[in-house]
Amino acid sequence: GAGVSQTPSNKVTEKGKYVELRCDPISGHTALYWYRQSLGQGPEFLIYFQGTGAADDSGLPNDRFFAVRPEGSVSTLKIQRTERGDSAVYLCASSLFGVNTEAFFGQGTRLTVV
Amino acid sequence: GENVEQHPSTLSVQEGDSAVIKCTYSDSASNYFPWYKQELGKGPQLIIDIRSNVGEKKDQRIAVTLNKTAKHFSLHITETQPEDSAVYFCAAKTSYDKVIFGPGTSLSVIP
Repeated sequence: GAGVSQTPSNKVTEKGKYVELRCDPISGHTALYWYRQSLGQGPEFLIYFQGTGAADDSGLPNDRFFAVRPEGSVSTLKIQRTERGDSAVYLCASSLFGVNTEAFFGQGTRLTVV
Repeated sequence: GENVEQHPSTLSVQEGDSAVIKCTYSDSASNYFPWYKQELGKGPQLIIDIRSNVGEKKDQRIAVTLNKTAKHFSLHITETQPEDSAVYFCAAKTSYDKVIFGPGTSLSVIP
């Protein structure tokens, strides 16, 4: 597809379980971002990849959160021992490299921890 | 750390009137300022952006202004229409490519 694709669109999991959220960026986009958005709030930065490496992971809230991008394209956000406070919409965005380039967002994955 | 503030949090205008949303940023090295519109259940969509070497940019009914000295930037929507109703986010991109968002403005255009 032409846009950023995120799967699944919705995920319900039990407290304490492990989840993986996937992001397929736009082909050719070297920069990839993960954000978390709680109801009524702006997207909160989690991590930024440039190619395969995490250029900035300062937004990850704790060591239960981890993200990979092994081949510089698809990225997976992994959350261990999920907590109810992790419930949110997780957004992925991608862009071409450069400070003046537009970031395109996916539709997000709505994660609910029960 | 980097921070973006946005006001107002909610805005209600009559159809045909103008709407103005204002933002401030903390990182003086920021040089790219996008504005996003988010409709319910969808991801944010870029509507206009401005770069640090420009003071104003206009695209039909939408305009943005940037004051780098004061670290302020604003979104102006003229002749508002009901389909403009959505949540609007300002953002600032730092010199390290991190995009920081404001908390959002919920705009309602009353027919």
